[in-house]
Amino acid sequence: DIQMTQSPSSLSASVGDRVTITCRASQSISSYLNWYQQKPGKAPKLLIYAASSLQSGVPSRFSGSGSGTDFTLTISSLQPEDFATYYCQQSYSTLRITFGQGTRLEIK
Amino acid sequence: QVQLVQSGAEVKKPGASVKVSCKASGYTFTGYYMHWVRQAPGQGLEWMGRINPNSGGTNYAQKFQGRVTMTRDTSISTAYMELSRLRSDDTAVYYCARETYYDYIWGSYRYSDYWGQGTLVTVSS
Repeated sequence: DIQMTQSPSSLSASVGDRVTITCRASQSISSYLNWYQQKPGKAPKLLIYAASSLQSGVPSRFSGSGSGTDFTLTISSLQPEDFATYYCQQSYSTLRITFGQGTRLEIK
Repeated sequence: QVQLVQSGAEVKKPGASVKVSCKASGYTFTGYYMHWVRQAPGQGLEWMGRINPNSGGTNYAQKFQGRVTMTRDTSISTAYMELSRLRSDDTAVYYCARETYYDYIWGSYRYSDYWGQGTLVTVSS
């Protein structure tokens, strides 16, 4: 299976900060990379698909980039509602989908 | 609007089976794959498999092969996930998630755009 490794595992930041989360695949996955946000007790929410396409209704402060093995999720100016856990997911191998371990974004 | 509504929490004993349902509304049920993902307490997301509601065809993660069965009832737009021979480490929240796709010249990007609210399954003696 394709291994997805996120860094950092946790991150403290302040409202208004610019934040970047990275995700690395164990082999090339082209742009078959999605990002999800999850808040405690809630289901994951799709933010970005195909590495850089913003899901409808998601604020433009979220952006994604990368291809091959290295990807980033950037939040340009953190808002209070952005404190959550973020997961990357590869869909290159649709029969063996895998997620990163998650990045917990906390308030500093 | 698209909605996925899952069945309620379950408590099971080790060795038993559990069957979780996911009722879809607001879209053509047979037009989209349905995935199942689970999350153990305090842990990350783990993909279990998917079902094609149109054909009933399934793909399971190797870890769950032989223990998981995904089915559907198209007459009521509902997908099911049954997990057998439960162990304590199967205690988790189980989610259904609709797969949608974006076609481009070389293939299709696939992602889960709608999720159920989750079903907590607790395995305890």
